[in-house]
Amino acid sequence: QKEVEQNSGPLSVPEGAIASLNCTYSDRGSQSFFWYRQYSGKSPELIMSIYSNGDKEDGRFTAQLNKASQYVSLLIRDSQPSDSATYLCAVTDNYGQNFVFGPGTRLSVLP
Amino acid sequence: GAVVSQHPSWVICKSGTSVKIECRSLDFQATTMFWYRQFPKQSLMLMATSNEGSKATYEQGVEKDKFLINHASLTLSTLTVTSAHPEDSSFYICSARYSLNQPQHFGDGTRLSIL
Repeated sequence: QKEVEQNSGPLSVPEGAIASLNCTYSDRGSQSFFWYRQYSGKSPELIMSIYSNGDKEDGRFTAQLNKASQYVSLLIRDSQPSDSATYLCAVTDNYGQNFVFGPGTRLSVLP
Repeated sequence: GAVVSQHPSWVICKSGTSVKIECRSLDFQATTMFWYRQFPKQSLMLMATSNEGSKATYEQGVEKDKFLINHASLTLSTLTVTSAHPEDSSFYICSARYSLNQPQHFGDGTRLSIL
């Protein structure tokens, strides 16, 4: 059973701080990695895609991938209360076909 | 880009009614569409995966005759909940993907309430 693990949280950070969200995956052949944000009562929305080792930055968001350690993370700089949501990590298998979502980490940014 | 439209947003109906939910990719051709179900404060649960022109692949425990999925074109998939009962009340979400290794793009979801 291929697994994606995340701390369920809640992760609480003060406004303006850096929030660090972590994800580990079991399938060493995984090809593609995604971060989604889901507000309560809403559907998930894509934040970042990352395919190769290293960092990828988009505005206040930075995704970091380390395939050797089977680890992907999301950093949110200058966290805002509007960032309070559940963050889902998703990983595809080595064929890029099957998606596996992690259980999500609930982030709370305190004003 | 990558907009997925899901309709309707809300459905309230009587027990025994069949309900159809539509999922459309508006600005891309979706080779694969996914249907999820989510209960309050719980994780997404994948119900089925469908490829255009093929029968859907259902996850273990999902009744094929209860949840009918049709993926007739590269931009449209439908989920029909047949003879719905109160226990089918949930948040149903579709997503679509352009090709392998690409992200899934989600619709806004359908909140289904069976009385």
